Amino acid sequence: EVQLVQSGAEVKKSGESLKISCKGSGYSFTRNWIGWVRQMPGKGLEWMGIIYPGDSDTTYNPSFQGQVTISADKSISTAYLQWSSLKASDSAIYYCARGGLAALTGCFDYWGQGTLVTVST
Amino acid sequence: SYVLTQPPSVSVAPGKTARITCGGNNIGSKGGVHWYQQKPGQAPVLVIYSDSDRPSGIPERLSGSTSGNTATLTISRVEAGDEADYYCQVWETSSDRRVFGGGTKLTVL
Repeated sequence: EVQLVQSGAEVKKSGESLKISCKGSGYSFTRNWIGWVRQMPGKGLEWMGIIYPGDSDTTYNPSFQGQVTISADKSISTAYLQWSSLKASDSAIYYCARGGLAALTGCFDYWGQGTLVTVST
Repeated sequence: SYVLTQPPSVSVAPGKTARITCGGNNIGSKGGVHWYQQKPGQAPVLVIYSDSDRPSGIPERLSGSTSGNTATLTISRVEAGDEADYYCQVWETSSDRRVFGGGTKLTVL
């Protein structure tokens, strides 16, 4: 069974750093892209970026370039999303999602449960 | 950047048909439109991929189509359990960006 399990909720202060994780299981982790999606309170889905764990090739949404870093450790089937200096406006739920293959190329066929990040001033 | 436009809300009575649209310039040429269902407090779930294909476990009542500048998610014989937010998404291959629509809240009356 394909699963993406994300790290738990975080409460941080502005200016602090943070790294959240997404562990894949039930499939070959290096074969599928992993994307990150932000959902601010009461708002829609925003694509942040995507990484290919096989070679760490990464593409960012220009809106998030320079604001976050996406990485992956294929040895432990885990992708990461990190901030060096959080802002209150980073408060949101962050989802990781697996990029599909073949006929599902371009979509996200499995999603993590989401990680709630709360940043206080 | 590429923009997908969805109506903020759609309302439908139980047993009727709901149609949720997703507009984008030449959307039919984007290599496939994908649709996700998100219920309150839950992660999104893929319900339609590549314009009209359903993942296993998704009921046949949900279908998709794309023509010209508009993609449509159709939900037949709507049930109370279909009440959710629905998002369309494409992969803009030229820039390697994934793009989501703004989402549509489906209300079952």
